[in-house]
Formats: sequence, C-alpha cells, structure tokens
Amino acid sequence: DAGVIQSPRHEVTEMGQEVTLRCKPISGHNSLFWYRQTMMRGLELLIYFNNNVPIDDSGMPEDRFSAKMPNASFSTLKIQPSEPRDSAVYFCASSLRFGRSIQETQYFGPGTRLLVL
Amino acid sequence: KQEVTQIPAALSVPEGENLVLNCSFTDSAIYNLQWFRQDPGKGLTSLLLIQSSQREQTSGRLNASLDKSSGRSTLYIAASQPGDSATYLCAEDTGANSKLTFGKGITLSVRP
Repeated sequence: DAGVIQSPRHEVTEMGQEVTLRCKPISGHNSLFWYRQTMMRGLELLIYFNNNVPIDDSGMPEDRFSAKMPNASFSTLKIQPSEPRDSAVYFCASSLRFGRSIQETQYFGPGTRLLVL
Repeated sequence: KQEVTQIPAALSVPEGENLVLNCSFTDSAIYNLQWFRQDPGKGLTSLLLIQSSQREQTSGRLNASLDKSSGRSTLYIAASQPGDSATYLCAEDTGANSKLTFGKGITLSVRP
C-alpha cells in the first residue's frame, strides 16, 4: 500500500484565496483525521471522520474551515478565505477502527505545507 | 482540558548513549499512550502504543513505559545512533472518539 496520500505537498497562496487540501486514506481504513501543526501550538486535531461521517469537528478553528469526505477513499479540507495565520503544515491520518479498538494506530500522510502571504 | 507535556524541547547526546525521553499527561482516565517519530519535513510514524492495562511495550531498541498514577510515560532508547535523530512525540488517547492529544515533541540529535 502507498500509505496516506496528500496533495499538494506545498501550497503558497495570497490572503483571501481559497485553498483546498486533499487526502486519500489507506485502503480499507474507516477513520480519517485532519491535523494542523505549527511551532507555537504543536499538533492539533481539526476534525475526525468515521465511516465518512464527521464525528468531532470541535477543533475546526472557525467557519472559514470546512472538511468533507464524500467517499471512503477521499477527503478535502478547504479554507475560504485564507489568512496568513492559517500558515502551517496540515496532516491527514487514517486508521482502522472496530468498535472501540484498543490497537488503533493512526497512519500519517507526509503533510501539506501551506503558506498564506 | 487534557494536556501533554514533553520536556526538554531538545536533547543532544553522543552516539551509543542510552537515553530516556519523558512525557507527562494530566488526564488519568487514559485509554492508551502512543509514541511517534517525526523526521524533518515528514509525517509522523507510530513507534509504540501502550494500552492502559499495560505497563510497557518494547520494539527493538525502544522501550516505552506507562505509569497512570503519576501521569507519566517514558521512551527509552538503547545504544542511540545518528539515525535516531528526529522529533519524538507522545500522544494521549482518553477514549473520546479516538481523539489524540499530542505533546509538542522532543527534538533529539545523536552526534556521531
């Protein structure tokens, strides 16, 4: 398996523009997570999907952020409009969950480095 | 609100040294504790997962322990090598929808 795939790997955009980040989880995994990593705040969970349904979006910073998972093999994280403070590395991770599995390792993608000017 | 603390933020050791990385967490209702490795410009790779009913887990030169009563976990690296240089993050899972709370990590540099 190729692991979790994220695109683009790097994105530079201007303030006010729409940004769309994409993620393909590991085939067969049923849980998907979006994280944001900054030097100041570390790694923060933005939103978590299980079986394509958003379960916990309490980490989404504000209405400018939205995430979708239209099917089991694809998810997007959209920022509209983008702001300089959104500059960060955004990671997608996936895992396989059976009920409340206690061996639930998350597998991370390589991340998207976003710079908003 | 649960918090995970890793101190110090950076550590430099000579090759061959045995070392311990510390992780403290505030929520004693822990489900499991996970250690990850992050190389520069890369994503996180899972190293070890300790269930709440366990006290330690081992993988090769790595050994992770969990003490729920004191809210601490340690990652022991034996006979460190330059290839171990990376950032090591611990994460607490309290069972709330698989939500992991991460520490900010310890950046380890192993000098040849």
